[in-house]
Amino acid sequence: GAVVSQHPSRVICKSGTSVKIECRSLDFQATTMFWYRQFPKQSLMLMATSNEGSKATYEQGVEKDKFLINHASLTLSTLTVTSAHPEDSSFYICSARSRQASTDTQYFGPGTRLTVL
Amino acid sequence: GENVEQHPSTLSVQEGDSAVIKCTYSDSASNYFPWYKQELGKGPQLIIDIRSNVGEKKDQRIAVTLNKTAKHFSLHITETQPEDSAVYFCAGTTSGTYKYIFGTGTRLKVLA
Repeated sequence: GAVVSQHPSRVICKSGTSVKIECRSLDFQATTMFWYRQFPKQSLMLMATSNEGSKATYEQGVEKDKFLINHASLTLSTLTVTSAHPEDSSFYICSARSRQASTDTQYFGPGTRLTVL
Repeated sequence: GENVEQHPSTLSVQEGDSAVIKCTYSDSASNYFPWYKQELGKGPQLIIDIRSNVGEKKDQRIAVTLNKTAKHFSLHITETQPEDSAVYFCAGTTSGTYKYIFGTGTRLKVLA
């Protein structure tokens, strides 16, 4: 149980284009989903918290107009990187917190490797 | 807000030996401390967690201890195997938000 998927697993795009990454909780409903970014050999940095049916909350320094987050249902959240630039190349990972859970456990997806040329 | 420090950054052990990774946190209101294992190119996988009302938790070869007074918690892996080689992250939760603050990670190498 508690499986989270991400799609695509890997994407290469040209500078200036937009890329959408999907995060799905497969066997549970997720009240809250989180989006992280991880640069090589570094830790996970929280970008934003996404609650179903409401606007995402962004961490300090993360541009909300560049990283659009939509949490349309209890099993799906999307991250769109708009007007991508090479410095946006990174490993993007989502996590989900179960609606039924009485704990704070987050279950992570497998990540999406974004390369902007 | 919460700040989590993790040591060491790299750790090499011989197969069969034990490995210990330590984390300290700053927010005394934090009450949940998970440990994740991340293999290259993959997402983090939860391996064990502990709540603040418990001092120790064990799951086969893996254990976590928590010292609330000193605000530190540790991951213990016994009888290490090559497949334990990975990056391990601790995290603390920002009270009331469910947000994780991750440590900087420990790259564990188990030498056969």
